[in-house]
Amino acid sequence: DIQMTQSPSSLSASVGDRVTITCRASQSISNYLNWYQQKPGKAPKLLIYAASSLQSGVPSRFSGSGSGTDFTLTISSLQPEDFATFYCQQSYSTPRTFGGGTKVEIK
Amino acid sequence: QVQLVQSGAEVKKPGASVKVSCKASGYTFTNYDMHWVRQAPGQRLEWMGWINAGNGDTKYSQMFQGRVTITRDTSASTVYMELSSLRYEDTAVYYCAREIDRAAGRWFDPWGQGTLVTVSS
Repeated sequence: DIQMTQSPSSLSASVGDRVTITCRASQSISNYLNWYQQKPGKAPKLLIYAASSLQSGVPSRFSGSGSGTDFTLTISSLQPEDFATFYCQQSYSTPRTFGGGTKVEIK
Repeated sequence: QVQLVQSGAEVKKPGASVKVSCKASGYTFTNYDMHWVRQAPGQRLEWMGWINAGNGDTKYSQMFQGRVTITRDTSASTVYMELSSLRYEDTAVYYCAREIDRAAGRWFDPWGQGTLVTVSS
């Protein structure tokens, strides 16, 4: 199975900050990497697919990059509605696996 | 719009089984695979298995092999996930998610709203 490791597991940031979350795969997954946002009590919501493609309707302050084993999710200017937990997921092979999540909290 | 609506919360005793449904609308049901993912309290998302809604082929996580069964009813555009021999640690929110498979990659969108399954004596 492909292991997905996210860092940090949590972070505190202020509105307007630039935030970067990283995700590392235990083997190369090409660009089969997706990012989801989850708010408390809600289902995950797709933000970025295929490592760098922005899902329709998602604000342009979200961006993704990377290929192979190392990936990054960046929020260019954190907004109040962005405080949530973010997960990466590989879709290169079965089982589909997720990172442990990064909880973004208000400083 | 594309929507997945899951059945309501369940409370089960250890050793029992639970069957959760996921009704799809807004797209051609048989053209997409459906996956099941669960999330125990405070834990990461855990993939359970998937079904090809067109031909009914399934694949399951080794973690649940022998305990999970995913089926579909094409006439009702509904996928079912049954988990047997329930344990306390199966207490979790269970999600269905449609997988989009394109040349660019594969991703889950949308997700169902989630079904809380509580295992309690």
